[in-house]
Amino acid sequence: EDQVTQSPEALRLQEGESSSLNCSYTVSGLRGLFWYRQDPGKGPEFLFTLYSAGEEKEKERLKATLTKKESFLHITAPKPEDSATYLCAVRLYGSGNTGKLIFGQGTTLQVKP
Amino acid sequence: NAGVMQNPRHLVRRRGQEARLRCSPMKGHSHVYWYRQLPEEGLKFMVYLQKENIIDESGMPKERFSAEFPKEGPSILRIQQVVRGDSAAYFCASSGGGTGNTDTQYFGPGTRLTVL
Repeated sequence: EDQVTQSPEALRLQEGESSSLNCSYTVSGLRGLFWYRQDPGKGPEFLFTLYSAGEEKEKERLKATLTKKESFLHITAPKPEDSATYLCAVRLYGSGNTGKLIFGQGTTLQVKP
Repeated sequence: NAGVMQNPRHLVRRRGQEARLRCSPMKGHSHVYWYRQLPEEGLKFMVYLQKENIIDESGMPKERFSAEFPKEGPSILRIQQVVRGDSAAYFCASSGGGTGNTDTQYFGPGTRLTVL
């Protein structure tokens, strides 16, 4: 069964304390891996798409990387405004797949000043 | 460019009533997806539509739920005879289809349905 697992479930950091969020996946054929940020009461906000192992994308304090079995979202010197839930999702190749994203449960990040 | 729009943002229904949720995709997007987020659970795919076509409804409950994306107007997710278990946040996403950057799904703010 295709599965996406994120860890940790929750993470508390001090402002400036760098860390990484993990997204591991067991899927039949990866077409793309997506990272989103979700604030309470709002819809997911797109951050990155990764398509192949070894690919990296950066945006401000965030950097996403991809291997054949997992992805990491590295947060460098986080600020309180980075506090949110970070969602990982995969889109698959194969018959029957026509666009749905399979989401992990998310990592809720809290950055304290 | 306006983002994905959903309305209403909050909807309260009594058991047995109907709920209609609307989604207008981003300008230039012709692919619409609906997801549901139950309390304390992750986002779950429900249905994928293009104009006048349902492409994949593998995540839709078999009964009471239906979706459409007409040639003109917004996409509609319809829930008939709502039950308390339907209380959730319903998110719509849109994309341009194809591959590469047009593959990315952009989400709306969601409709929070409460069934009394």
